[in-house]
Amino acid sequence: DQQVKQNSPSLSVQEGRISILNCDYTNSMFDYFLWYKKYPAEGPTFLISISSIKDKNEDGRFTVFLNKSAKHLSLHIVPSQPGDSAVYFCAAIAYSGAGSYQLTFGKGTKLSVIP
Amino acid sequence: NAGVTQTPKFRVLKTGQSMTLLCAQDMNHEYMYWYRQDPGMGLRLIHYSVGEGTTAKGEVPDGYNVSRLKKQNFLLGLESAAPSQTSVYFCASSRAGGRTEAFFGQGTRLTVV
Repeated sequence: DQQVKQNSPSLSVQEGRISILNCDYTNSMFDYFLWYKKYPAEGPTFLISISSIKDKNEDGRFTVFLNKSAKHLSLHIVPSQPGDSAVYFCAAIAYSGAGSYQLTFGKGTKLSVIP
Repeated sequence: NAGVTQTPKFRVLKTGQSMTLLCAQDMNHEYMYWYRQDPGMGLRLIHYSVGEGTTAKGEVPDGYNVSRLKKQNFLLGLESAAPSQTSVYFCASSRAGGRTEAFFGQGTRLTVV
């Protein structure tokens, strides 16, 4: 049973417009959320994160929103640039006992920014 | 400034062969992870370690073994490779405390024929 869901496998956006990537989760124990960006033939790189005690976190063109009641988070990229074209993974962290934490990823959304 | 380094980058194995993937990190991180990425499946956790000498199973551990004899190294072993283990493998590491970002290696593309 997938605990972190990214229901859109792909998204196309015009350069300069807003990109909105969505993520839903089912495990109420998740209390820290992250977005990663992955280019082909490279490892994922950390983009932005948010704690469950917040509902918004901003870093330049990237903003993550968290709606705990809906178990939903989204990543907004404004304005979108061709270099943002990549696969974006949503991830969530929960305490799994005995002092350890587990990081769970969604399946990813491929973003294409069209010049 | 190496970060997380995976060895090798590519490998082709025959069914039944064994191999070990090496992950090394130079950030003094406590936590290390092995993931596999398959088309349409995202990143799935194979095994992880919260410190030197400790390992634990993740979501898809069958067919793999791991060892963390030194803090900076995390080894992933395939004792008898199967075509279903054809995948891209990523190692990652993070600081202790859990609620922090993980840093990934560049990946190992493994093909089992």
